[in-house]
Amino acid sequence: EAQVTQNPRYLITVTGKKLTVTCSQNMNHEYMSWYRQDPGLGLRQIYYSMNVEVTDKGDVPEGYKVSRKEKRNFPLILESPSPNQTSLYFCASSFFVGITDTQYFGPGTRLTVL
Amino acid sequence: GENVEQHPSTLSVQEGDSAVIKCTYSDSASNYFPWYKQELGKRPQLIIDIRSNVGEKKDQRIAVTLNKTAKHFSLHITETQPEDSAVYFCAANLGNTGFQKLVFGTGTRLLVSP
Repeated sequence: EAQVTQNPRYLITVTGKKLTVTCSQNMNHEYMSWYRQDPGLGLRQIYYSMNVEVTDKGDVPEGYKVSRKEKRNFPLILESPSPNQTSLYFCASSFFVGITDTQYFGPGTRLTVL
Repeated sequence: GENVEQHPSTLSVQEGDSAVIKCTYSDSASNYFPWYKQELGKRPQLIIDIRSNVGEKKDQRIAVTLNKTAKHFSLHITETQPEDSAVYFCAANLGNTGFQKLVFGTGTRLLVSP
């Protein structure tokens, strides 16, 4: 089954404790992206990747890191989480053939930073 | 950068009525405008999109119109059904970036009453 998976789905942590949210897709997609969703603010792009070893900042990259060492995986790293990073996070992926392909979203990760 | 405004924030209609959600964008170079539907507790899913080389696109009960001059685009849902109840997000790409960098509106909560 073609899908985007994220782990963990729920996470409660404390300020300053490094964490990683994994994202994996099995569709051989070149493009992957991370978004955060906050009430009243919609979806905001954190980072995206056009292919292996190619990443770029979205609109709200501060406090986040990403890596793309393999095509299927695009982990989101919070080196020192803070309460303002409490949010619902979505990973998305698609083929990249110009602007013709649908972005498929993962199920989301709800993160709470105390 | 791109700014996308979406209205209304909530919309209540009776089953069978039409619903219209409107978005405006600021970047005149934007050329890709997707609409996503997010049901409660679920991931966003693409329902329709439009490129700047067309003014209207239809898919069964859903249509999107684009006015490039005025820099606004709208989602039209006809013969609404209770299962159309969800949050709808519009988005626009940052000009000339394909779909890599999407800026989302803040969402419209649509409630369709039986």
